[in-house]
Amino acid sequence: GAVVSQHPSWVICKSGTSVKIECRSLDFQATTMFWYRQFPKQSLMLMATSNEGSKATYEQGVEKDKFLINHASLTLSTLTVTSAHPEDSSFYICSARDASGGTTTQETQYFGPGTRLLVL
Amino acid sequence: GQNIDQPTEMTATEGAIVQINCTYQTSGFNGLFWYQQHAGEAPTFLSYNVLDGLEEKGRFSSFLSRSKGYSYLLLKELQMKDSASYLCAVMDSNYQLIWGAGTKLIIKP
Repeated sequence: GAVVSQHPSWVICKSGTSVKIECRSLDFQATTMFWYRQFPKQSLMLMATSNEGSKATYEQGVEKDKFLINHASLTLSTLTVTSAHPEDSSFYICSARDASGGTTTQETQYFGPGTRLLVL
Repeated sequence: GQNIDQPTEMTATEGAIVQINCTYQTSGFNGLFWYQQHAGEAPTFLSYNVLDGLEEKGRFSSFLSRSKGYSYLLLKELQMKDSASYLCAVMDSNYQLIWGAGTKLIIKP
């Protein structure tokens, strides 16, 4: 159980285009999903926390107009990188928290496989 | 401020045992997590400790001492596939995960 998928796994795009990444919880309902970014050999950096049916909470320094997050259902959150530039090239990872389980599963974040974005 | 400390890198031999330590200072505590992350992949959940003591799960065990702000991940019978980064993360009073920088574990034959 607790499987999270992400799509696409790889994106190569031209500078100035927008890219949408989908994050789905496949076998559980996730009231909360998280979006992270990770640069090579660096730690995970939380970008935003996404709650179903409400606006996302962005971490300091993350531009909400550039990284649009939509959490329209209990199983789907999307991150759109608008007007992507080469410095946005990174590994984007989502995670989801299972709201229905016991204490352990309620607090545990399960990660999707990640999306590699390369902006040329 | 909030802080998670773990060694940057460790080396161990195949078949041996290794202990990865994590110390933390956070505003509140709602549990400590260990994740494994292979190079180029997303983290996978290993363990969750919220009470003091040792949790054993196969070759991996995780220990927590809340009074000392300390945890360790113990890996036994090391295999080459255990070469990865191990991330310690603490959930604070706001249920936000505070991440350590990770410990890169290198297994040698």
